[in-house]
Amino acid sequence: DGGITQSPKYLFRKEGQNVTLSCEQNLNHDAMYWYRQDPGQGLRLIYYSQIVNDFQKGDIAEGYSVSREKKESFPLTVTSAQKNPTAFYLCASRTSGRMNEQFFGPGTRLTVL
Amino acid sequence: AQKITQTQPGMFVQEKEAVTLDCTYDTSDQSYGLFWYKQPSSGEMIFLIYQGSYDEQNATEGRYSLNFQKARKSANLVISASQLGDSAMYFCAWSDDKIIFGKGTRLHILP
Repeated sequence: DGGITQSPKYLFRKEGQNVTLSCEQNLNHDAMYWYRQDPGQGLRLIYYSQIVNDFQKGDIAEGYSVSREKKESFPLTVTSAQKNPTAFYLCASRTSGRMNEQFFGPGTRLTVL
Repeated sequence: AQKITQTQPGMFVQEKEAVTLDCTYDTSDQSYGLFWYKQPSSGEMIFLIYQGSYDEQNATEGRYSLNFQKARKSANLVISASQLGDSAMYFCAWSDDKIIFGKGTRLHILP
């Protein structure tokens, strides 16, 4: 079945540690996106990539880093520089083109202790 | 910068009534897409409906319709005959190469 996988569903880390969230898609989509969602809030764009080996910052990129070495994969690293990393992280992908809907993964809930 | 505004943080609606969720956007682009997504308490994001900026007809998908008023820069979602399962967060989104989401409206359907 085609879709987007994010693992793990729940992730706990100690303060000061970097952590990498995985996102894999087998939909053959060119574009991939990372969003952060805080309780009761909307989705805020962290990074997006429209093609392999290229990515752009979103509205809240500080403290995060990404890579896009393969079309299927777009991992997000939450670094120790991110002041408030506890949140729900959603990965999405779509076929290139502003008229195309995004497909979302199930999300990873990160808690930094 | 593009901006999406959803002015209703929460709404309570009686089951079987129609409900309109408001969305306005601010852009100088001529070519863009508008989307609505539903997020139940499970956290998954469910695509509901899409409207292109050049579409002359309002989009419809089953019980969902999008009231698109381009001059007013509004893209309201209308849900007809609401059901208990419609209780969720609803997000409006604007798209060019990236997609920007509004803050959402939490809809409660009352039995």
